[in-house]
Amino acid sequence: DAKTTQPNSMESNEEEPVHLPCNHSTISGTDYIHWYRQLPSQGPEYVIHGLTSNVNNRMASLAIAEDRKSSTLILHRATLRDAAVYYCILRPTRPIQGAQKLVFGQGTRLTINP
Amino acid sequence: DVKVTQSSRYLVKRTGEKVFLECVQDMDHENMFWYRQDPGLGLRLIYFSYDVKMKEKGDIPEGYSVSREKKERFSLILESASTNQTSMYLCASSPWSGSPLHFGNGTRLTVT
Repeated sequence: DAKTTQPNSMESNEEEPVHLPCNHSTISGTDYIHWYRQLPSQGPEYVIHGLTSNVNNRMASLAIAEDRKSSTLILHRATLRDAAVYYCILRPTRPIQGAQKLVFGQGTRLTINP
Repeated sequence: DVKVTQSSRYLVKRTGEKVFLECVQDMDHENMFWYRQDPGLGLRLIYFSYDVKMKEKGDIPEGYSVSREKKERFSLILESASTNQTSMYLCASSPWSGSPLHFGNGTRLTVT
């Protein structure tokens, strides 16, 4: 399985943008880049995913490098509720069994200062 | 919104007991998953199912079995609980292959 590398922890201030990096140098052409986050005492929550183009949704933006070997999750204006562990995951779309194996790494623990 | 419900938030069992962890999803999803989460080891896939009565082993299936008799329900069974199965257990579902997963809030199991 292709692996991802993320910093163990990051810190930011409330109402400032946050850029969470992820390296995935062994990504294959059919791997989607997924981001999840896990708030304290909760299960992981889907944030966003993409293949090649940058993606935006109500929670965040995903910027994908042209060579796809890295990506950045962008929280445009962090709030205290964004404090969580953020996971960057590669998800193959085929074969069907492989697509089920969402492999979570250690993630980045994001702290937001008031 | 998709709801994935795990029957217990906290569970304490004794070594050797048979333990059932239940998970129900309300969105007619094809795929369901069981993970366990341990400090320093992250989330690890135990079993998944892509259809009723179908199951596939994940990365750490030893000591566990699963049952999916109905589409909405996926059960994780510890045939004879051991202390090394003390962990947070997370259930998830997704509508099709490759789509995002929806997780429950987890069951923290302690085996004494």
